[in-house]
Amino acid sequence: EDQVTQSPEALRLQEGESSSLNCSYTVSGLRGLFWYRQDPGKGPEFLFTLYSAGEEKEKERLKATLTKKESFLHITAPKPEDSATYLCAVHSGAGSYQLTFGKGTKLSVIP
Amino acid sequence: EAGVTQFPSHSVIEKGQTVTLRCDPISGHDNLYWYRRVMGKEIKFLLHFVKESKQDESGMPNNRFLAERTGGTYSTLKVQPAELEDSGVYFCASSRQGGSYNEQFFGPGTRLTVL
Repeated sequence: EDQVTQSPEALRLQEGESSSLNCSYTVSGLRGLFWYRQDPGKGPEFLFTLYSAGEEKEKERLKATLTKKESFLHITAPKPEDSATYLCAVHSGAGSYQLTFGKGTKLSVIP
Repeated sequence: EAGVTQFPSHSVIEKGQTVTLRCDPISGHDNLYWYRRVMGKEIKFLLHFVKESKQDESGMPNNRFLAERTGGTYSTLKVQPAELEDSGVYFCASSRQGGSYNEQFFGPGTRLTVL
């Protein structure tokens, strides 16, 4: 059974204080690892897809990286508007398109 | 391009009643998914349609849940009769066929409260 564990559960940063969020996964054949951002009362907003170890993707202050066991979401010089819950999900196995999600990391950026 | 839309945004019903949730996917997306998040837990998969056909129902909790996708366009998820443990946020997502097929775009969700 696929498993996704995110840490920490919550993270408070000062504006401009860079940090990383972790997503550890156990799957039988990774077909994609996804990062989403979720604001309160809204649905998950797609950020990145990573397919193979060593791959990196960037968007504004966010950079996602992937190894064979985990993914990191690095946030550089965060701003208050980066405050949200960040979700990691994996897709594995042939024939099924279902995503397995972690519980998320709630990020708060203090001005 | 319009995103995934869901209706209603909130629903409060009594135990034993019936509720129907609706999802309109992004235009042209053949794949449509339902997920659910109950309090304190992670988002969990319920089922997957390809056009009007159910491709994967492995996440449906029991036979009180019925999903349909008329003509391969919008989808409905009916809960009948609703139980207390059905409370949660129900998300719909959609994706293309072909390349990037597994990049799923989510709607805002329907918050269901069963009293």
